[in-house]
Amino acid sequence: GNSVTQMEGPVTLSEEAFLTINCTYTATGYPSLFWYVQYPGEGLQLLLKATKADDKGSNKGFEATYRKETTSFHLEKGSVQVSDSAVYFCALSDGGSTLGRLYFGRGTQLTVWP
Amino acid sequence: GAGVSQTPSNKVTEKGKYVELRCDPISGHTALYWYRQSLGQGPEFLIYFQGTGAADDSGLPNDRFFAVRPEGSVSTLKIQRTERGDSAVYLCASSLTGAEAFFGQGTRLTVV
Repeated sequence: GNSVTQMEGPVTLSEEAFLTINCTYTATGYPSLFWYVQYPGEGLQLLLKATKADDKGSNKGFEATYRKETTSFHLEKGSVQVSDSAVYFCALSDGGSTLGRLYFGRGTQLTVWP
Repeated sequence: GAGVSQTPSNKVTEKGKYVELRCDPISGHTALYWYRQSLGQGPEFLIYFQGTGAADDSGLPNDRFFAVRPEGSVSTLKIQRTERGDSAVYLCASSLTGAEAFFGQGTRLTVV
C-alpha cells in the first residue's frame, strides 16, 4: 500500500539555520511527491512537488529531490526565516484510479526563533 | 470565490446528533475531496467526487458518514449519530486536473 513517513517534530531552529525535514515513502506504481505547508490559522498550501524520479521541486527557497533509489523526498532550506514557522506535510499521489488522492505523513512542526 | 470555502469553521455538537459540513470549491474544479485530520496526524482521505458522482468513497469510516455533491459544485459531508471519536478537523480540497489540490481552511468538529 501507500504510506509516507516523515521526521517527527517539533523542530526548533534559529533564524538563518539550515533545515532538513526527512520524508520517506512506500508506494505502488510511480507516485508524484509533494510538500504541503500549513501556516498558523491558514489552510494547507502546496509548497513544491516532483512528478518523477530525480526531479527537484523548489519554491520560496525550499527544495526537495525525488530519490527513487532511497524512496525519499527530503525537504531542505539553506537559511530559514521566522516566517517559515509552520507545519510541513509530506504527501504522495499514486496516480491510480482515484485521481489526485493524497496520502500524507503526520506533519512536522517547525518553529524558527529570531 | 477565490479559494475553497468551508462552513462552519467551528462546530460543537452533542454526542448522537446529526451534523452537516459544507464545502464550496473553486469555480470550475470538477474534482473534490474530503479529508479528516485528527490531532497530531496528517489528513486522511475520506471521499472523492468527480463531478456529481462519488468516484471513491473507500475512506469513509462507516455508514454514519455520507457525502453529496448534487450539482457538481458545492458538497456536503453528513455525519449521523456523532461520536466523540468523530472530533477532528474536516478538510475539503478541489482540483481541476488532479495535479494540484487546493485546500480550504477546514471545519473543526468537536463532539461533546
